[in-house]
Amino acid sequence: EPEVTQTPSHQVTQMGQEVILRCVPISNHLYFYWYRQILGQKVEFLVSFYNNEISEKSEIFDDQFSVERPDGSNFTLKIRSTKLEDSAMYFCASRGPYGYTFGSGTRLTVV
Amino acid sequence: GQQVMQIPQYQHVQEGEDFTTYCNSSTTLSNIQWYKQRPGGHPVFLIQLVKSGEVKKQKRLTFQFGEAKKNSSLHITATQTTDVGTYFCAGPANFNKFYFGSGTKLNVKP
Repeated sequence: EPEVTQTPSHQVTQMGQEVILRCVPISNHLYFYWYRQILGQKVEFLVSFYNNEISEKSEIFDDQFSVERPDGSNFTLKIRSTKLEDSAMYFCASRGPYGYTFGSGTRLTVV
Repeated sequence: GQQVMQIPQYQHVQEGEDFTTYCNSSTTLSNIQWYKQRPGGHPVFLIQLVKSGEVKKQKRLTFQFGEAKKNSSLHITATQTTDVGTYFCAGPANFNKFYFGSGTKLNVKP
């Protein structure tokens, strides 16, 4: 069964550092998303991406965040200067004709 | 803005008992999705309901979409320990994003 692949599975970073979270969506999917989940809380929408541009973003997705699809397969989320409150599980998802598929997530810990 | 509320927040059942979680939206939804997240895992898509009053079954799971398309439920018959996890509903705000409910955490005692 096709999967959405995310790397790394766990990232620890110092406050103020930049991080890049990587995702490989399912190959024939056209819509891509980043969500985050703070421990024990619900899944929150960050951004959606279609046709090489952002379709929509939430109020969480401020100037510190950016997304890119540099080579037609990878889909990355960059946080420019991490804050303690950015610590969360970050999920990438892609949407196909039969539903949405989530990756297994990257646990980001900002110290 | 749109909100998707879920109740209950937690449910502890004995194996073999039934379980139901309810989802309510402040606005009419074009569709609703249900996801299961195992402890430490990622959301796994279960189903999407589109039509008013729709009922769909997946083995012991029964999903309903309300007539007004503002509420939905997931019912599990005769729970098993493999059903443990958090069940989320999600409703689209528009074509580009959807909001997750707060989830119902199900614990099943053997």
